[in-house]
Amino acid sequence: DAMVIQNPRYQVTQFGKPVTLSCSQTLNHNVMYWYQQKSSQAPKLLFHYYDKDFNNEADTPDNFQSRRPNTSFCFLDIRSPGLGDAAMYLCATSRDRSASYEQYFGPGTRLTVT
Amino acid sequence: AQKVTQAQTEISVVEKEDVTLDCVYETRDTTYYLFWYKQPPSGELVFLIRRNSFDEQNEISGRYSWNFQKSTSSFNFTITASQVVDSAVYFCALSEAGGADGLTFGKGTHLIIQP
Repeated sequence: DAMVIQNPRYQVTQFGKPVTLSCSQTLNHNVMYWYQQKSSQAPKLLFHYYDKDFNNEADTPDNFQSRRPNTSFCFLDIRSPGLGDAAMYLCATSRDRSASYEQYFGPGTRLTVT
Repeated sequence: AQKVTQAQTEISVVEKEDVTLDCVYETRDTTYYLFWYKQPPSGELVFLIRRNSFDEQNEISGRYSWNFQKSTSSFNFTITASQVVDSAVYFCALSEAGGADGLTFGKGTHLIIQP
């Protein structure tokens, strides 16, 4: 039944040690998003893929990268995590790019940086 | 620029009370979409409703109802006869047809339903 799957649910990494979070979807949706949500804050869009077309938000740090090898999978790479990158990372999908489509969210990966 | 304001940071009510969560938005676009999402303690955002800017009809789904008023740029959410399972953080969000992709979220309202 799971439609948007994120692994792992909890990730602990060391300061400066690269980490990769993964997301997969069974919905065959064209668009995949990555949001960062810090404690008691709203989710903030980092970037998204429309098919293979990568779209970065202007204020997303260079430290954050993403890959989408196929329709089903999308990865978030944090090259050198800092303490300020500790957050919940949410993956979402939507059928297409139109603003009218709702987004389906995964359960999130909670990242801790030590 | 688009903006969503949820002025209520936290609301606490006793079970079976009705509760309304406020959402005020700003946009320059004439075509836009408003959403409500529920985020329970497990963390997953659950889609509740979508409303487009041309449809001001209120909607009712079971104990949930939504009041969309363009004149006041508000899209409020009411839970009738609240239950403990309604406890969660609720986010209002906006997307513009002519704007960037992705949702702009409000800061969320933490709803606590006490037994």
